[in-house]
Amino acid sequence: GENVEQHPSTLSVQEGDSAVIKCTYSDSASNYFPWYKQELGKGPQLIIDIRSNVGEKKDQRIAVTLNKTAKHFSLHITETQPEDSAVYFCAASPPSEGDKVIFGPGTSLSVIP
Amino acid sequence: GAGVSQTPSNKVTEKGKYVELRCDPISGHTALYWYRQSLGQGPEFLIYFQGTGAADDSGLPNDRFFAVRPEGSVSTLKIQRTERGDSAVYLCASSLAGHTEAFFGQGTRLTVV
Repeated sequence: GENVEQHPSTLSVQEGDSAVIKCTYSDSASNYFPWYKQELGKGPQLIIDIRSNVGEKKDQRIAVTLNKTAKHFSLHITETQPEDSAVYFCAASPPSEGDKVIFGPGTSLSVIP
Repeated sequence: GAGVSQTPSNKVTEKGKYVELRCDPISGHTALYWYRQSLGQGPEFLIYFQGTGAADDSGLPNDRFFAVRPEGSVSTLKIQRTERGDSAVYLCASSLAGHTEAFFGQGTRLTVV
C-alpha cells in the first residue's frame, strides 16, 4: 500500500521567514495530495491540495509543488506568522486504495515572534 | 453552517468495556471516514463509507472494531472489549465525494484504563 514520509518532524522559524515541508510517497499511481493543518485539540483542516495533473498551486502565502517523477511534493509557507504554528500533515490518495487518504507522520511548525 | 460533530469529546473507559463513538457529518456529504490518531502521529485510516455501505474497512485493526452508518448520515464506531492500546483520538471526516475536501471533526479522545 501507499506509504507517505514527511520531514522535518519539527521546524522552528522566525516570524516573517519561509517554511518548507517535504514529503515523499511510494505509489506512483497516487493522484491527489492534500495538506492539512492541525492545531492543538482540534481536527485536521485542509489548507491546500493538488492533483497529479498540476505541478504547482498557490493560495496567498501557501504554495504546494508536486514532482511526479521523483514522487515528492512540498509545502511552502512564506511570510510566516505566529498563528501558522501547528502540526502540518501531507497525504496521498492512490486509486488502488479507493478514496481514502494516507497521511504522513506530521511536521510540528513553530513560528517564533 | 454546522461542521462535523463528534460525541463525546472525551471518553474514559475501563479495560474490557464496550464503547460507542458517534459522528454527525456535514449534511449532504455522502462520504464518511473514520481515522485513529495516536500521540505524535498522523491519522491512521480505519474505515470509509459511501452512503450506507462500508466501501473500505481495510483499516479496522481487528474484529473488536465495527462501524455502521444505517441511514447514510450519522455513523457510530463501536469497540468491544477495549484494550489499553485502543487509547487514541478517533477522528471522523466527511466529504461530498471521494478525492474532494474532507472536513474533520474535533475528534473523540478515548482513554482505556
